[in-house]
Amino acid sequence: AQSVTQLGSHVSVSEGALVLLRCNYSSSVPPYLFWYVQYPNQGLQLLLKYTSAATLVKGINGFEAEFKKSETSFHLTKPSAHMSDAAEYFCAVSERQAGTALIFGKGTTLSVSS
Amino acid sequence: NAGVTQTPKFRVLKTGQSMTLLCAQDMNHEYMYWYRQDPGMGLRLIHYSVGEGTTAKGEVPDGYNVSRLKKQNFLLGLESAAPSQTSVYFCASSTRTGGPEAFFGQGTRLTVV
Repeated sequence: AQSVTQLGSHVSVSEGALVLLRCNYSSSVPPYLFWYVQYPNQGLQLLLKYTSAATLVKGINGFEAEFKKSETSFHLTKPSAHMSDAAEYFCAVSERQAGTALIFGKGTTLSVSS
Repeated sequence: NAGVTQTPKFRVLKTGQSMTLLCAQDMNHEYMYWYRQDPGMGLRLIHYSVGEGTTAKGEVPDGYNVSRLKKQNFLLGLESAAPSQTSVYFCASSTRTGGPEAFFGQGTRLTVV
């Protein structure tokens, strides 16, 4: 069964520092992979997704993620953190065949200090 | 442009009471989902539907029932609420294929006392 593991429930960075949020997936074949962001008291918003094209995926707000099949990873990065990036981030996976659901990791809370 | 709308946004129930959460989407999406979000647990899938008239169990289906009588609506029912069902509930919808992005509602905060 598909699953995702997010390493680190809480990540703290300084403003301007590199952001790295880790996600590993478990799937028999390369799945669809997603990163979502949730700001306080709001729903989830898609940051980026990997479907099958380029392994380096660029998303909104300067975020990007690289799909590495050999490492079964899909880590999220941003070169320079802003205060506004403080939020909870979720990695999610969906198998490619029809009829399967979207499964989320437990989330990583990103704190950004000035 | 409503997207995914959840009703109600807040609710307090007494143990043993029943209620129905309504999710409506106006994007003609095939797939619809119900998740619950609890601190430290991420989003856990309760039930989902891959089309009108179909439903399937997710990771935590016990104590919940769902129905998808119309394509645009997905209802989540609690027949006899328990304090363990205190949570924030999110509905989402997506297309069938093509690396489906899921669109989320704003959530329903449910407290069972």
